[in-house]
Amino acid sequence: DGGITQSPKYLFRKEGQNVTLSCEQNLNHDAMYWYRQDPGQGLRLIYYSQIVNDFQKGDIAEGYSVSREKKESFPLTVTSAQKNPTAFYLCASSLRGHGYTFGSGTRLTVV
Amino acid sequence: GQQVMQIPQYQHVQEGEDFTTYCNSSTTLSNIQWYKQRPGGHPVFLIQLVKSGEVKKQKRLTFQFGEAKKNSSLHITATQTTDVGTYFCAGPWNNNDMRFGAGTRLTVKP
Repeated sequence: DGGITQSPKYLFRKEGQNVTLSCEQNLNHDAMYWYRQDPGQGLRLIYYSQIVNDFQKGDIAEGYSVSREKKESFPLTVTSAQKNPTAFYLCASSLRGHGYTFGSGTRLTVV
Repeated sequence: GQQVMQIPQYQHVQEGEDFTTYCNSSTTLSNIQWYKQRPGGHPVFLIQLVKSGEVKKQKRLTFQFGEAKKNSSLHITATQTTDVGTYFCAGPWNNNDMRFGAGTRLTVKP
């Protein structure tokens, strides 16, 4: 079955550490996105990529980095520069002009 | 900041009552999308509206896109406990990436 897979489901980070969240899709979608969701809040766009080897900052890109070396993969690194990283991270993909397919998310907690 | 505003933030209804959430944009939208997120889950795409004044139905759900393409609504008739969750609208910004409203959280009392 086609879909979008995020891993891990839960992640714990120590202060000062960088961590990388994985996002893989086999839907042949060109566009991929990373959103952050805080408890009881909406989704805020971190980064997005419309094609391989190209990506753009969203509204809250500071403290995050991404790469898009393959069409299927769009990993997100949460760096130590992100001062409040505890949140629910959602990856999505889409065909241009169509609805988004979301992964099941990664819950990141700073310990 | 968010380009689409959604109200109400919360709605608690008795099972069988109707429910409506509204989405408003300060700019004209080329399209609007609606998603549902169950508690503890991830958003799931429901529908996309493109045409001015468009109305689409999915069983008990009715979606409308305003004539000016600046507002939209989702109406659920005779809510059920399975309707519980947060409903988000989303509108396109630059390069078609979507900006989401803050969502309306629906709870249903059996």
